[in-house]
Amino acid sequence: ILNVEQSPQSLHVQEGDSTNFTCSFPSSNFYALHWYRWETAKSPEALFVMTLNGDEKKKGRISATLNTKEGYSYLYIKGSQPEDSATYLCALKPYNFNKFYFGSGTKLNVKP
Amino acid sequence: DSGVTQTPKHLITATGQRVTLRCSPRSGDLSVYWYQQSLDQGLQFLIQYYNGEERAKGNILERFSAQQFPDLHSELNLSSLELGDSALYFCASSVGRTDPYEQYFGPGTRLTVT
Repeated sequence: ILNVEQSPQSLHVQEGDSTNFTCSFPSSNFYALHWYRWETAKSPEALFVMTLNGDEKKKGRISATLNTKEGYSYLYIKGSQPEDSATYLCALKPYNFNKFYFGSGTKLNVKP
Repeated sequence: DSGVTQTPKHLITATGQRVTLRCSPRSGDLSVYWYQQSLDQGLQFLIQYYNGEERAKGNILERFSAQQFPDLHSELNLSSLELGDSALYFCASSVGRTDPYEQYFGPGTRLTVT
């Protein structure tokens, strides 16, 4: 079992604040990292799939970076809006295991 | 709307019974993944099929089985149900056989075992 950890567990910010959270994973056997956005009562929505060390991806106000050598990925949200309130999940796909290992998520609450 | 459909939306059944959950992937996607989200646990990967063949296996119990049909829809069969099988079951689809392709999730089937 591979340990994928996300921090913080929850985050409360004001509208307009920028925020970031972390996904940590074992750096050996890395193949790909997925980020998802999961709103309450909905299904997870794919944000990014990252594979290369140093990768940086952006979608609107949300961006992510990847460091496979040290085993972490950061997700950034610039100018948070109430509609960004959701749980953000990361999932690791190791190189030699055909499985996905999910973190427990960071729950973001953006207050208007 | 991701384009992935799941039926039924809700299912209530008794312990010891057997149920079948159905998933239709997005048009053009060949891979189907099944996930379980229990109340006290995060999202758990169960199994992946690609173009009709089992591709990857996660934490799937022996009482559970899945298959993918020639039209690419997939079914997850859960038998000898226990109270602990109550969960939200998602399927997701992607275009590729293996990573790194984005996975598109369906709305889920909520299973309640009483």
